[in-house]
Amino acid sequence: DAGVIQSPRHEVTEMGQEVTLRCKPISGHDYLFWYRQTMMRGLELLIYFNNNVPIDDSGMPEDRFSAKMPNASFSTLKIQPSEPRDSAVYFCASSSSGLVSSYNEQFFGPGTRLTVL
Amino acid sequence: KQEVTQIPAALSVPEGENLVLNCSFTDSAIYNLQWFRQDPGKGLTSLLLIQSSQREQTSGRLNASLDKSSGRSTLYIAASQPGDSATYLCAVSRDGSARQLTFGSGTQLTVLP
Repeated sequence: DAGVIQSPRHEVTEMGQEVTLRCKPISGHDYLFWYRQTMMRGLELLIYFNNNVPIDDSGMPEDRFSAKMPNASFSTLKIQPSEPRDSAVYFCASSSSGLVSSYNEQFFGPGTRLTVL
Repeated sequence: KQEVTQIPAALSVPEGENLVLNCSFTDSAIYNLQWFRQDPGKGLTSLLLIQSSQREQTSGRLNASLDKSSGRSTLYIAASQPGDSATYLCAVSRDGSARQLTFGSGTQLTVLP
């Protein structure tokens, strides 16, 4: 398996523009998580899905952020409009509740480094 | 609200030394605890996962222990190598079906050749 795939790896945009980050989880995993990492706040959970359904979005900072999971192999995190304070590394992770040996171990993608000018 | 603390924030040791990284958490109602490694500009690599019912896990030169009642975990690295230089993060998942992770701020380890 190729692991969790994220695109783009780097994104530079100007304030006010729409940004869409993409994630492909590991095949067969039924949980998908979006995290954000900054120097000030460390790693924070934004939202997670179970079987394509959003379960907890309490970490989403504000209405400018939205996430979707239209099918089991694809998720997007959208920021509209983007602001400089959104600059961070955004990670996607997936896990499986069905693999007893892994006990819901989370596997992370390489991240998307977002810079908003 | 769960809080995870890692001490020290940074550690520098000579090659070959054995070392211990510490992680503490405030709420003992956890499902599991994971240790991750993060290299600069890279994603997170899972090193070890300990279930709440377990006391320790080992993988090669790494040994992680868990004392759930006291809210503590340690990551022991034997015979450290320059390639071990990275940031080490611990994270706990909440009990129940949620399983989302709460992360510590990490320990930045430098192993000097």
